[in-house]
Amino acid sequence: GESVGLHLPTLSVQEGDNSIINCAYSNSASDYFIWYKQESGKGPQFIIDIRSNMDKRQGQRVTVLLNKTVKHLSLQIAATQPGDSAVYFCAEKSGGYNKLIFGAGTRLAVHP
Amino acid sequence: DGGITQSPKYLFRKEGQNVTLSCEQNLNHDAMYWYRQDPGQGLRLIYYSQIVNDFQKGDIAEGYSVSREKKESFPLTVTSAQKNPTAFYLCASMPGGNLAKNIQYFGAGTRLSVL
Repeated sequence: GESVGLHLPTLSVQEGDNSIINCAYSNSASDYFIWYKQESGKGPQFIIDIRSNMDKRQGQRVTVLLNKTVKHLSLQIAATQPGDSAVYFCAEKSGGYNKLIFGAGTRLAVHP
Repeated sequence: DGGITQSPKYLFRKEGQNVTLSCEQNLNHDAMYWYRQDPGQGLRLIYYSQIVNDFQKGDIAEGYSVSREKKESFPLTVTSAQKNPTAFYLCASMPGGNLAKNIQYFGAGTRLSVL
């Protein structure tokens, strides 16, 4: 069945290091992916997205990589800051109209 | 100040009681969604609406009901049939049409607890 999952439930990094958050998806027909950031007690916030016809997309301090061969998505955060501490979710566009399937999330903890 | 407003922020339900969570958006978005989030877990879709006066069940619709009488509003009622309602409820909206992008924008959430 369709599913989106994450390899690491918790990631701890030092401030200033680069972070890599991974996500595996199972639906090879998915054509669009999104990364969200959720701080404690708040709603998810859009970070970056990528279409399946791309393998890399860059934003401000963030990069999303898509490997369709192994159905893997990753979010790279450069020079991680304390404000980056949050839970990060990947989501894929399912076959249904305008619906997203969310993964379980990875908690990123940034230490000084 | 545009965005999605959920209220109340905290809500308590007595056993056997129905409660309604409010979601209002002034983004002129056609589509709206309700998700449930349990501790340490991802988002599960309860109901969604692509357009006014139309809505569809999501993956966990049992024990919930919705209405979409206005474009701006998509209230969620947690009925007494929902035996485990304690969770964080998130409302989202998205511009309509069959878009190549599906960015959903979220409200701040309502935390529902059972007394």
